[in-house]
Formats: sequence, C-alpha cells, structure tokens
Amino acid sequence: QQQVKQSPQSLIVQKGGISIINCAYENTAFDYFPWYQQFPGKGPALLIAIRPDVSEKKEGRFTISFNKSAKQFSLHIMDSQPGDSATYFCAASGGDSSYKLIFGSGTRLLVRP
Amino acid sequence: GAVVSQHPSWVICKSGTSVKIECRSLDFQATTMFWYRQFPKQSLMLMATSNEGSKATYEQGVEKDKFLINHASLTLSTLTVTSAHPEDSSFYICSVKIYNEQFFGPGTRLTVL
Repeated sequence: QQQVKQSPQSLIVQKGGISIINCAYENTAFDYFPWYQQFPGKGPALLIAIRPDVSEKKEGRFTISFNKSAKQFSLHIMDSQPGDSATYFCAASGGDSSYKLIFGSGTRLLVRP
Repeated sequence: GAVVSQHPSWVICKSGTSVKIECRSLDFQATTMFWYRQFPKQSLMLMATSNEGSKATYEQGVEKDKFLINHASLTLSTLTVTSAHPEDSSFYICSVKIYNEQFFGPGTRLTVL
C-alpha cells in the first residue's frame, strides 16, 4: 500500500511536443505529491508539487494533474526541450510516515532536437 | 528552495575502510534530514531519517551499525559507512525537510574497491 507506481519507464518526445508521465498510488492517506527532476550524477531537484485539495497546478511549462478518486497524478511537460532530457521521479508522502517520501521508479525522458 | 551541499562529491576507498559523508543545509536550519541510496538506473531508496539531537530512525533492512548517522547540529548531518565493501558502492544523497518539502543535496558517489 506504500507503493507509488510510475509509467512509462522511458519516453522519447520530439522537441516542442508534450511529455506525459503518470503515477498511481494506493494509500489514501498520502497528501503531498511532488515531482523531481534528476540529471545524471546529480541530486534530484524539486520541480513542482501538489496537494489533494486541487486538481491541477501549473508552473511554467510544467503541469501536475491530480485525480483523487482514481488515485492518480501526472506530470505534463509542454513544449518539451532537449534540456528537459532527464529522469523524472514522482513521489508521495503523508499518513503514518508523514514526512517520508515514497518514490516512483522513475521515467527517463529523452527529447529529440 | 533550500540549498543543500554534500562533501565529498565522490570518494574511492579500499574494502574494509570507513567513509564519512557530510550533508549541510546552507540557508535553513533543518531539524530533520534524510539519507537515501541510489543504485544505477534505479530509484531513490530511503535509508534513514536523521533528527537533530536524537538517534536516527533506520528503514527496514538498513544496518544501523554499518551506516552511522550523526545529526549534531541544525545544519549538519553525517553518514559514516563503516567497514565498506564493494556492494556498498552507490550514490548517496541527503535531503533536508523545510516546511514539509524535501530538498536534495548533489549526492556523493562512493566506490569501494
């Protein structure tokens, strides 16, 4: 019940296209859903995060869509750029382990020029 | 977000030796820090939660006598890998909890020969 399932494992998108990464969770006590971006050899960087009281949050080209009833959330990267090529991790926290982040398995995004 | 540093950024050591990794929160005081381990092309796995002034809380399967954590101040946590072996070679990343969000350090690449 603590798992966060992420898909796809890898994604190739043309420059200017939309990248979509999906995550699903089981624990209804989760109340914080961040997305992290990680470049090779670097630590993850917080990209955007959402809480269950809203269904969508947008920051620049990055949008989180949240579906509480389906227990799913997704990251949309609009106008994808080669510089967006990285590994993206969704995560969730809340409930008994309030501050611990449960990470998805990651999505390796490649944006072709 | 918070700025987190780690030192060293990479270290190579011989099997059987101990290695200390430092994690510093540069612009916020952090009561809680986390230590993660990441193997190549895998997700982040939480090792332990480090609380200032008290003992660390280790995740199931993590040997507390092998991975010693000290959180002596609000800006510094250290992870010591004792009697390191080649299977301990990994990317070790710390994070700090600030206002219910986690900000990650750049990571430390440990290679045990």
